Amino acid sequence: NAGVTQTPKFRILKIGQSMTLQCAQDMNHNYMYWYRQDPGMGLKLIYYSVGAGITDKGEVPNGYNVSRSTTEDFPLRLELAAPSQTSVYFCASRVGVGGSDTQYFGPGTRLTVL
Amino acid sequence: AQSVSQHNHHVILSEAASLELGCNYSYGGTVNLFWYVQYPGQHLQLLLKYFSGDPLVKGIKGFEAEFIKSKFSFNLRKPSVQWSDTAEYFCAVNARNNNDMRFGAGTRLTVKP
Repeated sequence: NAGVTQTPKFRILKIGQSMTLQCAQDMNHNYMYWYRQDPGMGLKLIYYSVGAGITDKGEVPNGYNVSRSTTEDFPLRLELAAPSQTSVYFCASRVGVGGSDTQYFGPGTRLTVL
Repeated sequence: AQSVSQHNHHVILSEAASLELGCNYSYGGTVNLFWYVQYPGQHLQLLLKYFSGDPLVKGIKGFEAEFIKSKFSFNLRKPSVQWSDTAEYFCAVNARNNNDMRFGAGTRLTVKP
């Protein structure tokens, strides 16, 4: 199993540009998550999904959109990039049984908005 | 919603010293608790977790954590740290009736050889 994969690894955007961060998992997990990690701030939940076709907002959803058309994929869309979105983005997944199962993380995407 | 506090932002220890990292959460209901570690240049991986049973849980690499319900705490411990334990450590909580996970700000541990 490849686990959780994310592309791209690095990206530089100009203010106002848009892009999609890709996330895929091959473990047949129901739950998928997007976090951003800022220095000294830990991980903040952006969006999550409990299954195909179902998504919900986390702590910091503004400026982002998600979709979940398949179990495997959970892309994160930035429509109008802003400097405040400079961060490292992590995707994660878990089976989704009772909340006690482990989250598996991808390697992250480092995004810089200039 | 639940929240998590980690009191130590940066801890510096010498090899063989004992480690305790604090974690407190705020949520009145039943929770699942986790410690994740992020080694330099790597992604997060699970150290240990608690969801029921014995409040003292043991994880990988000699780490353990104790859930004290009355104190809303889940502190991480290791009796003798190694240089290879240098990493960032995150406490996380997931409420049983919630689908999201909340992370603390993280504690950076530096172990001097």
